[in-house]
Amino acid sequence: DAKTTQPNSMESNEEEPVHLPCNHPTISGTDYIHWYRQLPSQGPEYVIHGLTSNVNNRMASLAIAEDRKSSTLILHRATLRDAAVYYCILRGGGSNYKLTFGKGTLLTVNP
Amino acid sequence: EAGVVQSPRYKIIEKKQPVAFWCNPISGHNTLYWYLQNLGQGPELLIRYENEEAVDDSQLPKDRFSAERLKGVDSTLKIQPAELGDSAVYLCASSLESGCSYNEQFFGPGTRLTVL
Repeated sequence: DAKTTQPNSMESNEEEPVHLPCNHPTISGTDYIHWYRQLPSQGPEYVIHGLTSNVNNRMASLAIAEDRKSSTLILHRATLRDAAVYYCILRGGGSNYKLTFGKGTLLTVNP
Repeated sequence: EAGVVQSPRYKIIEKKQPVAFWCNPISGHNTLYWYLQNLGQGPELLIRYENEEAVDDSQLPKDRFSAERLKGVDSTLKIQPAELGDSAVYLCASSLESGCSYNEQFFGPGTRLTVL
């Protein structure tokens, strides 16, 4: 599986934007970039995914570098409910469609 | 629409005892996953089912772990006998199909197992 690296933790203030980085220097052309998050005492939940172009949905935006070796998850206005562990995952074609989680980034949101 | 249901939410047992976890996936989802999550780590896949067939059980410790998905709906994960190192959260997830690299997986709340 292609690897991703994320900061162990980040901190933000409520109602401010948050940019969560992810590096994936060995990404292949068929790998999708997925983000999941895990709130305390819950299972992970899907946030967003993309292949080459930037993506927006109701939860977040995903900015993908032109060379695809890095991406950034953007929460436009952090709330206390956004405090969670955020996982950046590469999910590719071929025979491997599983989610391989790393340790993720623990996001703390201050009131 | 109901999400992925797991029971029990918490289980405390003594080592060498058996334990079972149950999962009911989202209606219509033919793919079901069991993950193990140790404290401070991300989830790790144990087994993946396509309908009633286990298509990826390479990470399942088969000496003590077993799983089944009769009729391709509900699933049970069993540990017998449990060891201290099995203390973790066991997560179940489902998706419409796994043969698609952008298919979303929906996770249940997990079962937190403590082995004393």
